[in-house]
Amino acid sequence: GAVVSQHPSWVICKSGTSVKIECRSLDFQATTMFWYRQFPKQSLMLMATSNEGSKATYEQGVEKDKFLINHASLTLSTLTVTSAHPEDSSFYICSAPRLANEQYFGPGTRLTVT
Amino acid sequence: QQQVKQSPQSLIVQKGGIPIINCAYENTAFDYFPWYQQFPGKGPALLIAIRPDVSEKKEGRFTISFNKSAKQFSLHIMDSQPGDSATYFCAASKAGGGNKLTFGTGTQLKVEL
Repeated sequence: GAVVSQHPSWVICKSGTSVKIECRSLDFQATTMFWYRQFPKQSLMLMATSNEGSKATYEQGVEKDKFLINHASLTLSTLTVTSAHPEDSSFYICSAPRLANEQYFGPGTRLTVT
Repeated sequence: QQQVKQSPQSLIVQKGGIPIINCAYENTAFDYFPWYQQFPGKGPALLIAIRPDVSEKKEGRFTISFNKSAKQFSLHIMDSQPGDSATYFCAASKAGGGNKLTFGTGTQLKVEL
């Protein structure tokens, strides 16, 4: 069964509004979670590393003020897309390492900004 | 810099065939090499993974072959089925890298009847 969940699975928002996406590890604790962005027919692009108890680490070129990450607990990380614009429309996926390097991915969240 | 190169970009095989997807890496510090399967609109699912101390690993119909000297690894799908039609990603990570994965560009596989 699924070990990482995401909510919502699909969201439409208007330009200028903010959207929060939740990522939960279901039966294990994760001090680190990862957030990815994926465009159609492309690979996953790592956006940031969510760290429990400390600030997120962002990849080069990712605006940390636009993509706010909060590792609220050992089983929950959230990604907030602030002041969303149509170019932020994408598939957002989180992952969490469970055993050693084994990473499990959530089902993804499709964000459409109109 | 693309650190994991994956080929081919797309692949069509007949049912029962053995598709082979190849990946090459540059960073010799990588020590964990997983393969993920992704269906449209879904998150990637871990299929199988290998470490450099072995040259081959099998799990069900999926086999990874690993060539450390050539810095290459490949995925073989035995007796492929239409349900295997998906996008496959190779990835790599390194000890001390905080579990960060570097992904290949993906291979879109179609298995025809």
